Amino acid sequence: DAMVIQNPRYQVTQFGKPVTLSCSQTLNHNVMYWYQQKSSQAPKLLFHYYDKDFNNEADTPDNFQSRRPNTSFCFLDIRSPGLGDAAMYLCATSTTGTGYTYEQYFGPGTRLTVT
Amino acid sequence: AQSVAQPEDQVNVAEGNPLTVKCTYSVSGNPYLFWYVQYPNRGLQFLLKYITGDNLVKGSYGFEAEFNKSQTSFHLKKPSALVSDSALYFCAVRVFSGNTGKLIFGQGTTLQVKP
Repeated sequence: DAMVIQNPRYQVTQFGKPVTLSCSQTLNHNVMYWYQQKSSQAPKLLFHYYDKDFNNEADTPDNFQSRRPNTSFCFLDIRSPGLGDAAMYLCATSTTGTGYTYEQYFGPGTRLTVT
Repeated sequence: AQSVAQPEDQVNVAEGNPLTVKCTYSVSGNPYLFWYVQYPNRGLQFLLKYITGDNLVKGSYGFEAEFNKSQTSFHLKKPSALVSDSALYFCAVRVFSGNTGKLIFGQGTTLQVKP
């Protein structure tokens, strides 16, 4: 089945130690999103890629970076995690091409713990 | 500013009874509206959407939603609730961002269905 995959599902990192979260998709969608979600709050968009074009949200801290080496993969890098960065990180995809249906498809999320 | 509001933090309903989860929106232009459901420690699952056409939209798992332009509402409904419907529900509106779109989410409503 076509899907959005996030690895790992649970990640523990130390305060200040860089961490990378991974997202891959088999949907061949051209848009990929990263969201941060804290304790059952609304997901907060960090940034998204439209193909290779990177779109950062104005209030996303510089501590958060992203890479998209190809259509299928997208990475979230947190350069120096703080305790406030502990959250669920959600990856999502959508397409603007053939079969454009507007909705986003979400992965299962990575729960990040910062110790 | 474009926004989505879910006025109820929690909705409680008995199994077998009808349920309604409320959503109102404020956008410029025609709204593209969505409902997502989230189970604990999982990503968001798409339920249904309104883009254009019939005001009553049917979605997954027996859910439906009614678009009301004059009241700027998009309430989620189900004729007969199941205990397994207990989850966190998000209403969202799509807004344009650069050369694609992004979702603005409501704050979420926890649905509790009691046996």
